[in-house]
Amino acid sequence: EAQVTQNPRYLITVTGKKLTVTCSQNMNHEYMSWYRQDPGLGLRQIYYSMNVEVTDKGDVPEGYKVSRKEKRNFPLILESPSPNQTSLYFCASGGLQGKRHIQYFGAGTRLSVL
Amino acid sequence: AQSVTQLDSQVPVFEEAPVELRCNYSSSVSVYLFWYVQYPNQGLQLLLKYLSGSTLVKGINGFEAEFNKSQTSFHLRKPSVHISDTAEYFCAVTTFSGTYKYIFGTGTRLKVLA
Repeated sequence: EAQVTQNPRYLITVTGKKLTVTCSQNMNHEYMSWYRQDPGLGLRQIYYSMNVEVTDKGDVPEGYKVSRKEKRNFPLILESPSPNQTSLYFCASGGLQGKRHIQYFGAGTRLSVL
Repeated sequence: AQSVTQLDSQVPVFEEAPVELRCNYSSSVSVYLFWYVQYPNQGLQLLLKYLSGSTLVKGINGFEAEFNKSQTSFHLRKPSVHISDTAEYFCAVTTFSGTYKYIFGTGTRLKVLA
């Protein structure tokens, strides 16, 4: 079954304590992306990756890091989390169907930074 | 730069009534357009997409959308809604460029009333 898997699904942490949210896809997609969802703001893209070792900033990259060392994994790293990073995070992967790009989403990670 | 506007943050509608969720976009280049649905406590699911060709696009669960280039709109419609359609709906755009940076609207919460 085609899947985008995020872990953990729920996370409570404290300000300044480094954390990593993992994302894995089994569809051999080259494209992967991270979003955060906040009430009234919709989804905003944090980082995306077009391929292994190729990453680029989205609209809200500040305070986040990513890495793409292998095709299937795209972890999101918060080096020093702050309360304004409390949010619902989604990982997505995408691939081409013909010449058209389609994106698939994980189930989400709800993060609370105290 | 691209932008997406969903003017209606909430749309209440009675069961079996028709519904239209509005989406307008802004872009200086050609775009791909998408509608995603998010059921409570779940990730995003692709509802339908416009990539090229026919401007009337049919999606899952009886939804359809019409791409109107002159009005830069991509409104979502369903002729008769069910209670199970209660969810949040997001419009999104990406360009034909190779970077696949996605811009999402702020979402419309559809509440179907019995």
